[in-house]
Amino acid sequence: DAMVIQNPRYQVTQFGKPVTLSCSQTLNHNVMYWYQQKSSQAPKLLFHYYDKDFNNEADTPDNFQSRRPNTSFCFLDIRSPGLGDAAMYLCATSRDGVRTGAEDTIYFGEGSWLTVV
Amino acid sequence: GQSLEQPSEVTAVEGAIVQINCTYQTSGFYGLSWYQQHDGGAPTFLSYNALDGLEETGRFSSFLSRSDSYGYLLLQELQMKDSASYFCAVPDSSYKLIFGSGTRLLVRP
Repeated sequence: DAMVIQNPRYQVTQFGKPVTLSCSQTLNHNVMYWYQQKSSQAPKLLFHYYDKDFNNEADTPDNFQSRRPNTSFCFLDIRSPGLGDAAMYLCATSRDGVRTGAEDTIYFGEGSWLTVV
Repeated sequence: GQSLEQPSEVTAVEGAIVQINCTYQTSGFYGLSWYQQHDGGAPTFLSYNALDGLEETGRFSSFLSRSDSYGYLLLQELQMKDSASYFCAVPDSSYKLIFGSGTRLLVRP
C-alpha cells in the first residue's frame, strides 16, 4: 500500500493560474518535503516541515508556498505558474531527519506532473 | 555546502556487472545513500553506507571509502528492469538530503 500519496498525478494548468498539489502520508513521519524535479535532473528541495516548523530553501521562489495543516497532509501552492515551473513535484517524508542512518531514509510519493500551457 | 559527482550515463549488457561511482565533498559526513528512479517514477531507496566497506543487498551492493570521499553502487546480473537513473545522496543538514546529478543506466539485451 502506498505510504506517501500525491494528488493529482497529472495536472495541466494555464500560465498564471494558481494550482495546488496535495500530499498525504500514512507513516506518521515528522518531516515532510517538497522537491521539484525537471527532466534529467536531480530532485531539488523547495522546502520542508519538521512537524509544524516550516523551512524554506533560500533559492525557492516566492511563487511557491506550502501548508501543513496536520501531520498527515501537506500542500504545495504555486501562485502564478510560469512555463519554467513545469516539472514533476515530489512529496517525501522521513521519520526524524536524514542523519542517523538507513532507518531515516526519505520515502517519496509517486510525484505530480505539472504542465503549464 | 555539499556537492556530489557521478557519471551522467552508463551502458551495460544484460547479465553483466556495472559500477556507478560517486565522489562527494561535504563539510560533515553522515552517510551516503543511493536511490533508483525509473522513468516517470519516484526515487526509491536502495542502500545506505555510514562506515567504510561494502554493504550487500541481493544483486545490489554499495561501497564507501570515507578517506577518499568516494562510494559506488555495484549492480550484478543486470536485468533489463535495472535500466533507470541512479542517484547518490548525502545529508546537508539534519533534514535535507542533497542528490547528485544522477547516472542514467541503460541495460542492453
